[in-house]
Amino acid sequence: GAVVSQHPSRVICKSGTSVKIECRSLDFQATTMFWYRQFPKQSLMLMATSNEGSKATYEQGVEKDKFLINHASLTLSTLTVTSAHPEDSSFYICSASAGHMGEQFFGPGTRLTVL
Amino acid sequence: AQSVTQLDSQVPVFEEAPVELRCNYSSSVSVYLFWYVQYPNQGLQLLLKYLSGSTLVESINGFEAEFNKSQTSFHLRKPSVHISDTAEYFCAVSSSGGSYIPTFGRGTSLIVHP
Repeated sequence: GAVVSQHPSRVICKSGTSVKIECRSLDFQATTMFWYRQFPKQSLMLMATSNEGSKATYEQGVEKDKFLINHASLTLSTLTVTSAHPEDSSFYICSASAGHMGEQFFGPGTRLTVL
Repeated sequence: AQSVTQLDSQVPVFEEAPVELRCNYSSSVSVYLFWYVQYPNQGLQLLLKYLSGSTLVESINGFEAEFNKSQTSFHLRKPSVHISDTAEYFCAVSSSGGSYIPTFGRGTSLIVHP
């Protein structure tokens, strides 16, 4: 099946710094990429949807200036957590879709810890 | 609008016993249904999907799910579970009414005991 990678898998940073997470579709072109946040023992919370070459669509309550999303190509999307704070610590998961009725291919996730 | 309900947050079961993880959805248009599995500290993996055709769909590792339109359900079943099936399972629904962006259930933790 389709493969999506995420980098880094784990990151620890100091409060106030910015962190960039990359999401790549390795063997297909993704028309749409999604960014999720997952709290322990909970479901995925959709943060934003991005299409290549256009601005991301953020879900209600997600600060677009804090979570910057760039979808520069059909195989790469990045999420930058700006001025990270401890409450931003979470598991961030990206996924990519090739338009097949909502089927998504997920990356392995990035564990962000902000000290 | 579409929504997904996974009634059980946790399902404990003994190894080699059968299991059913329940999923109900609501949508006003035709739906596409998915089950994903998540192992600890990993992303989600597609287990099986219903897009059209046969209402009974199967995965390569023995799971199956049946699309029941009248009951708006897509329950996941396995006749005999293994320890390695211990994981979090998410049901998801997408539809043309939601621009094919899936909505996920809250997840069901399957715990297989020896």
